[in-house]
Amino acid sequence: DAGVIQSPRHEVTEMGQEVTLRCKPISGHNSLFWYRQTMMRGLELLIYFNNNVPIDDSGMPEDRFSAKMPNASFSTLKIQPSEPRDSAVYFCASSRQIGQPQHFGDGTRLSIL
Amino acid sequence: EDKVVQSPLSLVVHEGDTVTLNCSYEVTNFRSLLWYKQEKKAPTFLFMLTSSGIEKKSGRLSSILDKKELFSILNITATQTGDSAIYLCAVDAGGTSYGKLTFGQGTILTVHP
Repeated sequence: DAGVIQSPRHEVTEMGQEVTLRCKPISGHNSLFWYRQTMMRGLELLIYFNNNVPIDDSGMPEDRFSAKMPNASFSTLKIQPSEPRDSAVYFCASSRQIGQPQHFGDGTRLSIL
Repeated sequence: EDKVVQSPLSLVVHEGDTVTLNCSYEVTNFRSLLWYKQEKKAPTFLFMLTSSGIEKKSGRLSSILDKKELFSILNITATQTGDSAIYLCAVDAGGTSYGKLTFGQGTILTVHP
Protein backbone atom coordinates (compact mmCIF):
# COMPACT_ATOMS: atom_id res chain seq x y z
CA ASP A 1 0.00 0.00 0.00
CA ALA A 2 1.24 3.46 -0.81
CA GLY A 3 2.03 5.58 2.19
CA VAL A 4 1.70 9.33 2.53
CA ILE A 5 3.34 10.96 -0.46
CA GLN A 6 4.95 14.38 -0.21
CA SER A 7 6.56 16.55 -2.84
CA PRO A 8 9.02 17.97 -3.42
CA ARG A 9 11.54 16.05 -1.29
CA HIS A 10 13.86 19.04 -1.14
CA GLU A 11 13.29 22.69 -1.90
CA VAL A 12 15.88 25.44 -1.90
CA THR A 13 14.72 28.94 -2.67
CA GLU A 14 15.49 32.55 -1.92
CA MET A 15 13.69 34.55 0.70
CA GLY A 16 10.62 36.32 -0.52
CA GLN A 17 9.66 33.55 -2.92
CA GLU A 18 6.43 31.60 -2.67
CA VAL A 19 6.81 27.97 -1.60
CA THR A 20 4.16 25.28 -2.09
CA LEU A 21 4.43 21.89 -0.44
CA ARG A 22 2.17 19.04 -1.52
CA CYS A 23 0.75 16.00 0.18
CA LYS A 24 -1.28 12.98 -0.87
CA PRO A 25 -2.67 11.12 2.17
CA ILE A 26 -3.17 7.38 2.38
CA SER A 27 -6.29 6.38 0.49
CA GLY A 28 -9.24 6.02 2.85
CA HIS A 29 -7.76 8.23 5.53
CA ASN A 30 -10.07 11.05 6.58
CA SER A 31 -7.69 13.17 8.66
CA LEU A 32 -4.61 15.03 7.46
CA PHE A 33 -1.95 16.84 9.49
CA TRP A 34 0.88 19.24 8.63
CA TYR A 35 3.92 19.36 10.95
CA ARG A 36 7.20 21.25 11.01
CA GLN A 37 10.37 19.79 12.56
CA THR A 38 13.43 21.81 13.62
CA MET A 39 16.31 21.07 15.96
CA MET A 40 15.26 23.87 18.29
CA ARG A 41 11.53 23.24 18.52
CA GLY A 42 11.16 19.57 17.61
CA LEU A 43 8.02 18.37 15.85
CA GLU A 44 5.17 20.87 15.94
CA LEU A 45 1.67 20.58 14.55
CA LEU A 46 0.77 23.42 12.20
CA ILE A 47 -2.77 22.57 11.08
CA TYR A 48 -5.04 19.58 10.66
CA PHE A 49 -8.08 18.68 8.58
CA ASN A 50 -10.89 16.23 9.08
CA ASN A 51 -12.95 15.27 6.02
CA ASN A 52 -11.20 18.09 4.11
CA VAL A 53 -12.28 20.73 6.65
CA PRO A 54 -9.64 22.61 8.68
CA ILE A 55 -10.18 21.82 12.36
CA ASP A 56 -7.34 23.59 14.15
CA ASP A 57 -4.84 26.00 12.62
CA SER A 58 -3.55 27.42 15.89
CA GLY A 59 -0.06 26.13 15.14
CA MET A 60 0.32 28.11 11.92
CA PRO A 61 3.06 30.59 12.75
CA GLU A 62 1.66 33.61 10.97
CA ASP A 63 -0.38 34.83 8.02
CA ARG A 64 2.39 33.97 5.59
CA PHE A 65 1.38 30.32 6.04
CA SER A 66 -1.77 28.88 4.52
CA ALA A 67 -3.05 25.37 3.89
CA LYS A 68 -5.82 23.92 1.78
CA MET A 69 -7.38 20.54 1.23
CA PRO A 70 -9.54 20.79 -1.90
CA ASN A 71 -10.34 17.05 -1.92
CA ALA A 72 -9.73 13.88 0.05
CA SER A 73 -6.54 13.00 -1.81
CA PHE A 74 -4.61 16.25 -1.90
CA SER A 75 -3.43 19.04 0.37
CA THR A 76 -1.05 21.97 0.03
CA LEU A 77 0.89 24.07 2.49
CA LYS A 78 1.92 27.44 1.12
CA ILE A 79 4.39 29.99 2.47
CA GLN A 80 4.29 33.44 0.92
CA PRO A 81 6.62 35.28 1.27
CA SER A 82 9.17 32.81 2.60
CA GLU A 83 11.82 33.77 5.17
CA PRO A 84 15.07 32.05 6.26
CA ARG A 85 13.50 31.13 9.63
CA ASP A 86 10.98 28.96 7.75
CA SER A 87 13.80 26.52 6.93
CA ALA A 88 12.81 23.16 8.40
CA VAL A 89 11.53 19.71 7.49
CA TYR A 90 7.79 19.78 6.83
CA PHE A 91 5.90 16.54 7.36
CA CYS A 92 2.43 15.57 6.29
CA ALA A 93 0.64 12.77 8.15
CA SER A 94 -2.74 11.09 7.77
CA SER A 95 -4.93 8.87 9.90
CA ARG A 96 -7.99 6.79 9.17
CA GLN A 97 -10.00 8.88 11.59
CA ILE A 98 -9.28 11.57 14.15
CA GLY A 99 -7.67 10.00 17.20
CA GLN A 100 -6.22 7.01 15.39
CA PRO A 101 -2.47 6.59 14.79
CA GLN A 102 -1.01 9.04 12.32
CA HIS A 103 1.23 7.84 9.50
CA PHE A 104 3.88 10.22 8.22
CA GLY A 105 5.26 11.00 4.79
CA ASP A 106 9.00 11.30 4.21
CA GLY A 107 8.90 15.07 4.54
CA THR A 108 10.03 18.05 2.51
CA ARG A 109 13.34 19.57 3.52
CA LEU A 110 12.94 23.30 2.94
CA SER A 111 15.86 25.72 2.86
CA ILE A 112 15.23 29.43 2.47
CA LEU A 113 18.39 31.37 1.61
CA GLU B 1 -0.32 24.33 27.91
CA ASP B 2 0.10 20.63 27.16
CA LYS B 3 3.61 19.34 27.82
CA VAL B 4 5.47 16.13 27.00
CA VAL B 5 8.97 15.51 28.37
CA GLN B 6 11.21 12.64 27.38
CA SER B 7 14.32 11.33 29.11
CA PRO B 8 17.10 10.76 28.61
CA LEU B 9 17.69 13.09 25.66
CA SER B 10 20.36 10.73 24.34
CA LEU B 11 21.62 7.27 25.14
CA VAL B 12 24.56 5.24 23.85
CA VAL B 13 24.59 1.47 24.39
CA HIS B 14 26.14 -1.67 22.93
CA GLU B 15 24.36 -4.38 21.03
CA GLY B 16 22.58 -6.76 23.35
CA ASP B 17 21.89 -4.17 26.04
CA THR B 18 18.36 -3.45 27.27
CA VAL B 19 17.19 0.18 27.29
CA THR B 20 14.30 2.00 28.91
CA LEU B 21 13.06 5.29 27.49
CA ASN B 22 10.83 7.55 29.55
CA CYS B 23 7.98 9.89 28.68
CA SER B 24 6.07 12.05 31.16
CA TYR B 25 3.21 14.34 30.31
CA GLU B 26 0.99 17.12 31.61
CA VAL B 27 -2.18 17.62 29.60
CA THR B 28 -5.59 19.08 30.29
CA ASN B 29 -7.36 15.91 29.23
CA PHE B 30 -5.86 12.63 28.10
CA ARG B 31 -6.95 10.37 25.33
CA SER B 32 -3.89 8.40 24.24
CA LEU B 33 -0.10 8.25 24.18
CA LEU B 34 1.84 7.20 21.10
CA TRP B 35 5.42 6.12 20.45
CA TYR B 36 7.19 6.68 17.13
CA LYS B 37 10.63 5.72 15.79
CA GLN B 38 12.36 8.20 13.49
CA GLU B 39 15.36 7.14 11.49
CA LYS B 40 16.46 9.23 8.54
CA LYS B 41 13.05 10.29 7.32
CA ALA B 42 9.49 9.82 8.50
CA PRO B 43 8.51 8.95 12.05
CA THR B 44 7.06 5.43 11.98
CA PHE B 45 4.31 4.39 14.37
CA LEU B 46 5.18 1.89 17.10
CA PHE B 47 2.45 1.83 19.77
CA MET B 48 -0.67 3.61 20.92
CA LEU B 49 -1.65 3.28 24.58
CA THR B 50 -4.93 4.33 26.10
CA SER B 51 -5.31 2.21 29.21
CA SER B 52 -3.15 2.11 32.29
CA GLY B 53 -1.16 -0.98 33.13
CA ILE B 54 -1.68 -2.84 29.86
CA GLU B 55 1.58 -3.65 28.10
CA LYS B 56 1.81 -3.37 24.35
CA LYS B 57 4.46 -5.61 22.82
CA SER B 58 6.00 -6.04 19.40
CA GLY B 59 9.03 -8.30 19.17
CA ARG B 60 11.80 -6.83 21.31
CA LEU B 61 9.88 -3.60 21.93
CA SER B 62 7.29 -3.11 24.63
CA SER B 63 5.55 -0.16 26.23
CA ILE B 64 3.34 0.51 29.21
CA LEU B 65 1.34 3.48 30.42
CA ASP B 66 0.72 4.72 33.96
CA LYS B 67 -2.16 7.21 33.87
CA LYS B 68 -2.03 7.86 37.59
CA GLU B 69 1.62 8.92 37.54
CA LEU B 70 1.32 10.43 34.03
CA PHE B 71 4.14 8.59 32.31
CA SER B 72 4.99 5.84 29.88
CA ILE B 73 8.09 3.76 29.23
CA LEU B 74 9.38 2.14 26.09
CA ASN B 75 11.61 -0.89 26.58
CA ILE B 76 13.90 -2.37 23.97
CA THR B 77 15.57 -5.67 24.82
CA ALA B 78 18.61 -7.21 23.10
CA THR B 79 19.27 -3.99 21.20
CA GLN B 80 20.63 -4.10 17.65
CA THR B 81 22.37 -1.44 15.56
CA GLY B 82 19.15 -1.10 13.58
CA ASP B 83 17.45 0.22 16.71
CA SER B 84 19.55 3.39 16.45
CA ALA B 85 17.05 6.20 15.91
CA ILE B 86 15.19 9.03 17.57
CA TYR B 87 12.27 7.76 19.65
CA LEU B 88 9.39 10.20 19.92
CA CYS B 89 6.57 10.18 22.42
CA ALA B 90 3.34 12.06 21.69
CA VAL B 91 0.12 12.67 23.59
CA ASP B 92 -3.37 13.20 22.23
CA ALA B 93 -4.88 15.57 24.77
CA GLY B 94 -8.45 14.83 23.75
CA GLY B 95 -11.28 17.26 24.47
CA THR B 96 -11.32 20.18 22.06
CA SER B 97 -7.79 19.13 21.02
CA TYR B 98 -8.95 15.63 20.06
CA GLY B 99 -6.59 14.18 17.49
CA LYS B 100 -3.98 16.89 17.99
CA LEU B 101 -0.63 15.38 19.02
CA THR B 102 1.88 17.14 21.25
CA PHE B 103 5.34 15.62 20.81
CA GLY B 104 8.23 15.36 23.24
CA GLN B 105 11.70 16.39 22.17
CA GLY B 106 12.75 12.81 21.52
CA THR B 107 15.42 10.43 22.81
CA ILE B 108 18.36 9.81 20.48
CA LEU B 109 19.39 6.16 20.85
CA THR B 110 22.72 5.01 19.46
CA VAL B 111 23.53 1.29 19.50
CA HIS B 112 27.17 0.38 18.87
CA PRO B 113 28.16 -3.05 17.53
